[in-house]
Amino acid sequence: DAKTTQPPSMDCAEGRAANLPCNHSTISGNEYVYWYRQIHSQGPQYIIHGLKNNETNEMASLIITEDRKSSTLILPHATLRDTAVYYCIVRVGSNSGYALNFGKGTSLLVTP
Amino acid sequence: NAGVTQTPKFQVLKTGQSMTLQCAQDMNHEYMSWYRQDPGMGLRLIHYSVGAGITDQGEVPNGYNVSRSTTEDFPLRLLSAAPSQTSVYFCASEGAAPGELFFGEGSRLTVL
Repeated sequence: DAKTTQPPSMDCAEGRAANLPCNHSTISGNEYVYWYRQIHSQGPQYIIHGLKNNETNEMASLIITEDRKSSTLILPHATLRDTAVYYCIVRVGSNSGYALNFGKGTSLLVTP
Repeated sequence: NAGVTQTPKFQVLKTGQSMTLQCAQDMNHEYMSWYRQDPGMGLRLIHYSVGAGITDQGEVPNGYNVSRSTTEDFPLRLLSAAPSQTSVYFCASEGAAPGELFFGEGSRLTVL
């Protein structure tokens, strides 16, 4: 699986958009970008994933650059409950059963 | 629908003792896996299973055994606990949507 690079930490004011970047310059054509988050040592929670088109769900939006070498997870209106470690993961997405390669992620702190 | 259930949530062992961490899911998912997370680190894959009767090693399998006799259950066994196995253990399952893993709440193990 392609390696990802994320900043170790970020801050965001409550109510503002949180934009979390991820670099995955060696991504292959059959690899998807997945985002998970982990709140205070709970089990990781799936957020969103995409291949090459931008994606949006009730939690977040995912913007993938045209060359697919980087992406941004956007939390449109961050709340204190969004304080968590966010993991960007690249993985083959065509079939289930492939492992997720968690790195250290980005620790997002949402402040009042 | 309970999702992924792990027991126990907390356990203290002495070096050399054995124990089993239990994991059960009620979503009829074929794929299940065990991860460990050490302080300040991301998750690392220990063992995984693509279906009943089939298991395989992940990134850090040494010191752990698994079996998968049913679709629902995927226990993780420590045969002779060592202090290096002090960690938080997460069980996960994956269904038909590739890459969307469901994690349990974790089992916090301390080996003295």
